[in-house]
This record gives sequence, structure tokens and C-alpha cells, in this order.
Amino acid sequence: EAQVTQNPRYLITVTGKKLTVTCSQNMNHEYMSWYRQDPGLGLRQIYYSMNVEVTDKGDVPEGYKVSRKEKRNFPLILESPSPNQTSLYFCASSLSRGLYNEQFFGPGTRLTVL
Amino acid sequence: AQKVTQAQTEISVVEKEDVTLDCVYETRDTTYYLFWYKQPPSGELVFLIRRNSFDEQNEISGRYSWNFQKSTSSFNFTITASQVVDSAVYFCALIENQAGTALIFGKGTTLSVSS
Repeated sequence: EAQVTQNPRYLITVTGKKLTVTCSQNMNHEYMSWYRQDPGLGLRQIYYSMNVEVTDKGDVPEGYKVSRKEKRNFPLILESPSPNQTSLYFCASSLSRGLYNEQFFGPGTRLTVL
Repeated sequence: AQKVTQAQTEISVVEKEDVTLDCVYETRDTTYYLFWYKQPPSGELVFLIRRNSFDEQNEISGRYSWNFQKSTSSFNFTITASQVVDSAVYFCALIENQAGTALIFGKGTTLSVSS
């Protein structure tokens, strides 16, 4: 089954404790991205990657890192989480960048930083 | 700059009522796609429709219909005979040809359908 998976689905952590949210897709997609969703703000892009070893900042990259060492994986790293990073996170992938390709979303990761 | 506005923050209806969710967008690009996503209480994003800027035909899918009007930069979504299962947050989104690296989402409309 074609899908985007994220782990963990739920995470409660404390300020400053490094964490990684994994994202994996099995569709051989080149393009992957991370969004965060906050009440009243909709979804905003954090980082995106157009292919292996090619990543770039989205609209709200502060406090986050990403890596793309393999095509299928695009982990989101919070080196020193803070309470303002409490949010619902979505990973997405598509065949390539641009409007012609449907973006497939993962199930979401709900992160709480105390 | 691209922008998507969903002016209705919350809508409450009673089952079987029709409801329209508004979406107004801004873009300088002539080529773009518009989307609607549904987010039920379980949290996942469910893709509903994608429409490109060159296709202004309205679309109907069961109880759902979409009205795309380039003249008013709107892409409104109507649910006919609403049901309790339609209760969710609905997002309208835009992606442009030139930028094409991110979906630009509206802030969402929370629809509550009571029985």
C-alpha cells in the first residue's frame, strides 16, 4: 500500500531534550516536506527536500533541522525543543516538486513540549 | 504573494442542511492548483479535490460540489444534505507553478453538524 508513515504519532517531551520525528514513504517520491499545524494558523511548511541531499527552508524553519540521506526517509530533528514547538506535524511527499503532483500526507505527529 | 483566505472560522449546522465553505485565494501566477482537504477529529488530512487554474468547470462528487470562479478568485465548497460525519476542519490550499515547493493553506473552517 502506498503510504507515508510517521513515528511517533504522539510524543510528550521536555524543553531541551533532543528528538527526531521520522518520516518514510514507499512511493519512490523525490519531493518530501514537513508542515506544522497550529490552531488558527492552518498548516505552514517547515522544510522541504527536492531529492537526496537537497533540502531547503520553508516558511517556519527556526528550531528545526532535516536531513535527506535516503530517498524514502526525511526525518525532522528538534535539537532543543521549546514549548512553542508544541504542534501537530505532517510529513508529505510527491513524485516531484510543483503543482502537477499530488502531495500525500502522513497521519501526523502530535508533539507536546513541556 | 500567494495567500488563501477562509473567512469562516466556524460553522454550525443541523443535519440535512446544505452548507458552503468559502475560499478566496491570491496569486500572481496564471498556472496554479487549488485543493480542499478534510481533517476529521482523528487528525489525518483527507484529500478531497484538486483543480487546476485552467479548468473552471464546477465539479460534483456525491454530496460534495465545488464552484471555481477565477473572476472572483474563489473556490467554494458545498456540502449538500450535511451529515454528522461531515464534522471536521476543512482546509483550502493553493500551489503555484513558479514556486511549487509548498502548499499554501488557509486557516481552516471548522464545521460542526449536529443531529
